[in-house]
Amino acid sequence: SQELEQSPQSLIVQEGKNLTINCTSSKTLYGLYWYKQKYGEGLIFLMMLQKGGEEKSHEKITAKLDEKKQQSSLHITASQPSHAGIYLCGETRWGKLQFGAGTQVVVTP
Amino acid sequence: AAGVIQSPRHLIKEKRETATLKCYPIPRHDTVYWYQQGPGQDPQFLISFYEKMQSDKGSIPDRFSAQQFSDYHSELNMSSLELGDSALYFCASQRDTDTQYFGPGTRLTVL
Repeated sequence: SQELEQSPQSLIVQEGKNLTINCTSSKTLYGLYWYKQKYGEGLIFLMMLQKGGEEKSHEKITAKLDEKKQQSSLHITASQPSHAGIYLCGETRWGKLQFGAGTQVVVTP
Repeated sequence: AAGVIQSPRHLIKEKRETATLKCYPIPRHDTVYWYQQGPGQDPQFLISFYEKMQSDKGSIPDRFSAQQFSDYHSELNMSSLELGDSALYFCASQRDTDTQYFGPGTRLTVL
């Protein structure tokens, strides 16, 4: 069973619009990673969050970890075609990563 | 900046054959992880090595083995291949407890 729940499973957003992806755990998250994957390709590291309340931004992508460290959100502002892909959240458990099921993002013109 | 290198990128094998996947971590990274990603699934942890010693083991079949060599590259050996082994195999490297950086993956197709 998936210990990390991602929502939505997929979403279609018009270019220029914002989008948010959520990642929820039933347990405290000690290290939460966000990766992006293009179909059939490798995982590209986006951000890592460790502290409750932490927020990080890179270009138009912002990730937050809530105070209780059980939920993270990834927000993309003014989406572009380059933002299309599968977004995976992952948590570290004694080193290894366990991932959520992923969110497929499609950006339409 | 140097990235994780995996070879080959694509591999086609017949059932019951053997395959060897290679991973070259980022220089000065001491830990290597192997993951398997089936079609439409998220990556699943197989095995990891720290300083050339196996550090953790996940749901890796007994038909699979792996090792990390003195130059820190790692190889995943897969024998008696089955159709269900068709997947993307990723290796990720890490320094201390920092971020895991993934390679481009090897796509294995078993016919």
